[in-house]
Amino acid sequence: ELKVEQNPLFLSMQEGKNYTIYCNYSTTSDRLYWYRQDPGKSLESLFVLLSNGAVKQEGRLMASLDTKARLSTLHITAAVHDLSATYFCAVSNTGNQFYFGTGTSLTVIP
Amino acid sequence: EPEVTQTPSHQVTQMGQEVILRCVPISNHLYFYWYRQILGQKVEFLVSFYNNEISEKSEIFDDQFSVERPDGSNFTLKIRSTKLEDSAMYFCASTTGVNVLTFGAGSRLTVL
Repeated sequence: ELKVEQNPLFLSMQEGKNYTIYCNYSTTSDRLYWYRQDPGKSLESLFVLLSNGAVKQEGRLMASLDTKARLSTLHITAAVHDLSATYFCAVSNTGNQFYFGTGTSLTVIP
Repeated sequence: EPEVTQTPSHQVTQMGQEVILRCVPISNHLYFYWYRQILGQKVEFLVSFYNNEISEKSEIFDDQFSVERPDGSNFTLKIRSTKLEDSAMYFCASTTGVNVLTFGAGSRLTVL
């Protein structure tokens, strides 16, 4: 079974600071996804990364994928309070099975 | 924008009762999934469904669980005899197979 690990599990950061969330997965996968979940809400798709070296940016969030290292990063630039949420990475296999990481709970402190 | 619709949004039931959670996936999607999330914890895979049959299921998806696609639009999850530990948020999700997995808003199940 494909395993997906995220770190850190919990992240408390001050507004204006930068930080990176890491997502490692255990076997080859061509697709890596990042989702955001607000408390009590559903999962909202942020990024889909489809190839080695892929980089996508939306506002203060930037995601990248290194398929050789089986690693994706979600970089937060100049954090603001609105980014407080839980972030999940997920990978899918050729059978369209999706495997989710444990999630990173991000709290941005004023 | 098309969305995955789930009902009910919240259900409270007594232990041992049967529960049916309903989902209407996005109309051109082919792959359907149920996940659950116990409060504050990880998203756990239950079952995937393709071409009118289960394609994969997890250890959580035991004999108490079943899924059905009774018509061309609905996708249901049934729990035959609920336990306290079944209390969770249940998410339905769907995809075309080449696109992102789209989640519904979830059904919160509380077992008393």
